[in-house]
Amino acid sequence: GAGVSQSPSNKVTEKGKDVELRCDPISGHTALYWYRQRLGQGLEFLIYFQGNSAPDKSGLPSDRFSAERTGESVSTLTIQRTQQEDSAVYLCASSLRPDRGIFLNTEAFFGQGTRLTVV
Amino acid sequence: DAKTTQPPSMDCAEGRAANLPCNHSTISGNEYVYWYRQIHSQGPQYIIHGLKNNETNEMASLIITEDRKSSTLILPHATLRDTAVYYCIVRVPPSSNTGKLIFGQGTTLQVKP
Repeated sequence: GAGVSQSPSNKVTEKGKDVELRCDPISGHTALYWYRQRLGQGLEFLIYFQGNSAPDKSGLPSDRFSAERTGESVSTLTIQRTQQEDSAVYLCASSLRPDRGIFLNTEAFFGQGTRLTVV
Repeated sequence: DAKTTQPPSMDCAEGRAANLPCNHSTISGNEYVYWYRQIHSQGPQYIIHGLKNNETNEMASLIITEDRKSSTLILPHATLRDTAVYYCIVRVPPSSNTGKLIFGQGTTLQVKP
């Protein structure tokens, strides 16, 4: 596709249920990021993938949060036993990795996000 | 990643240039300055980035001071659609170890008719 695609666009779930959020990055982008944005707040970094590996998971808020990426493409963010404080927009972004020190075109492109509401 | 400091809000008249400042006094030699903006209810949008030279593209210009401790994003002819939160970020480009963008609170730019 032309851009980063996220699904679903909206998700309402009951407290205690598990949810899976999907991100389809731009084809060929090896770097993939997940962010969370609570209402009226800034973006919080969650996790960074380079290929299928996640060298930086420092932003995952608890062990209820996990993410995986397969085929250097699709990524899934899973939240187990959801809590009301998990309500937020979850944003995914992708970018190219610099090629031999040439740092052009390394900007991140964001999807429109998944709005998660835990009731 | 180095931290950035931006004014929380700014106003600009439609058609005039909007100059958004950013301080990044602890920037290191291999960190780039990136600017993104987030229009209400949308994902962040890349605007421009640079290392030490001034940069210009179809959206904006980026002026980086010689000591690289601050920069200014210039929207030459602001329109109402430029109303957004503008984020200044310093980071190393993505690699096998890192690459995350650290978003601060940004500057809320209000373009007024």
